[in-house]
Amino acid sequence: DIQMTQSPSSLSASVGDRVTITCRARQSISTYLNWYQQKPGKAPRLLIYAASRLLGGVPSRFSGGGSGTDFTLTISSLQPEDFATYYCQQSYSAITFGQGTRLEIK
Amino acid sequence: QVQLQESGPGLVKPSETLSLTCTVSGGSITNYYWGWVRQPPGKGLEWIGYIYYTGSTNYNPSLRSRLTISLDTSKSQFSLKLSSVTAADTAVYYCARYTPQRLDMDAFDIWGQGTMVTVSS
Repeated sequence: DIQMTQSPSSLSASVGDRVTITCRARQSISTYLNWYQQKPGKAPRLLIYAASRLLGGVPSRFSGGGSGTDFTLTISSLQPEDFATYYCQQSYSAITFGQGTRLEIK
Repeated sequence: QVQLQESGPGLVKPSETLSLTCTVSGGSITNYYWGWVRQPPGKGLEWIGYIYYTGSTNYNPSLRSRLTISLDTSKSQFSLKLSSVTAADTAVYYCARYTPQRLDMDAFDIWGQGTMVTVSS
């Protein structure tokens, strides 16, 4: 299976900050990469699919980029409701998730 | 809109079979994959497998020998059976809709709320 590695594993930031989370695949996955947000006690929520396509209803402060092995999720100006754990997921070969990045309030 | 709801026992004994059902409401099962993802307490997400509306399946290789996912289109339900469970199978189990690439997505776009299953004697 294709291993996905996210960095950092945790991140402290303030409201209004710009933050970037990175996801790296062990082999090229083209743009078969999705990003999810999960809040405690809740199911994951799809934010971005196909590396850079924003799901309808997701705020435009979220953006995704990358292709091949290196991908990013950027939040342009953090809002209080954005503090959560974020997961990347590849679908190029079967399905695997990254280990998650916990975004905490500084 | 489409909603998913998991149901099944919250406690399973070691070596027995874990069985869960997901009921789909508000939409059709046709044209989508229907899958399961689990999350052990305090840990990350693990894909279990999914089934296409035609009945074809794709399983996580690490679980394949113990896993069966089935579909009952007449009831708009799909089910998970995981045999010979151990404490390592303790997790929140989510059912989710997987919208395929030919429908311009290739992601889990709708999720159930999740159900906690504990494996313990």
